[in-house]
Amino acid sequence: DAGITQSPRHKVTETGTPVTLRCHQTENHRYMYWYRQDPGHGLRLIHYSYGVKDTDKGEVSDGYSVSRSKTEDFLLTLESATSSQTSVYFCAISESGPRGSEQYFGPGTRLTVT
Amino acid sequence: AQSVTQLGSHVSVSEGALVLLRCNYSSSVPPYLFWYVQYPNQGLQLLLKYTSAATLVKGINGFEAEFKKSETSFHLTKPSAHMSDAAEYFCAATSGGYQKVTFGTGTKLQVIP
Repeated sequence: DAGITQSPRHKVTETGTPVTLRCHQTENHRYMYWYRQDPGHGLRLIHYSYGVKDTDKGEVSDGYSVSRSKTEDFLLTLESATSSQTSVYFCAISESGPRGSEQYFGPGTRLTVT
Repeated sequence: AQSVTQLGSHVSVSEGALVLLRCNYSSSVPPYLFWYVQYPNQGLQLLLKYTSAATLVKGINGFEAEFKKSETSFHLTKPSAHMSDAAEYFCAATSGGYQKVTFGTGTKLQVIP
């Protein structure tokens, strides 16, 4: 299995509080991604990174920010959590860009915003 | 923009029967296509991928998929379902200059003993 960990694995938080999710990899892969998974929507890309300090938005980036100061860590921050951000969040990595390149997924973080 | 459509959010088959999970994509340029599987409470893992080589792609666990450009399809098949195949399956695509993958909404496969 690819070395990807996510922390925390479960979190319950209140509306309006900031939340940071961490993705850590030991594979030295260049690309890292944050997705959210919701019933009926599959996986939707929130943000991705193509190198240290290089990030770009995905299709559902509103309300989320990311940072990547080291190759191995990719942080996802909800500045002010809302109930619509209750979801399961997956981090993924790939060695090169997603064209033809397999993505390896972490175990997920289940976030509940009350 | 790329889009991926999976027909049928739930599919049930009997153990030993053919598995057929459907995926159609929209793209004006040749895509790269993937099938991933997700077991309960786990992340996704790659089953197989098409990257413009052979149109019939073989993956892990006996699964295969055929790229049909004329039908813009990439359906996943397995000749004989096992109980262990029960999971959710996602089709995904990327194309052209995209550095992003678009996922379908997933198909949950139930295998009936």
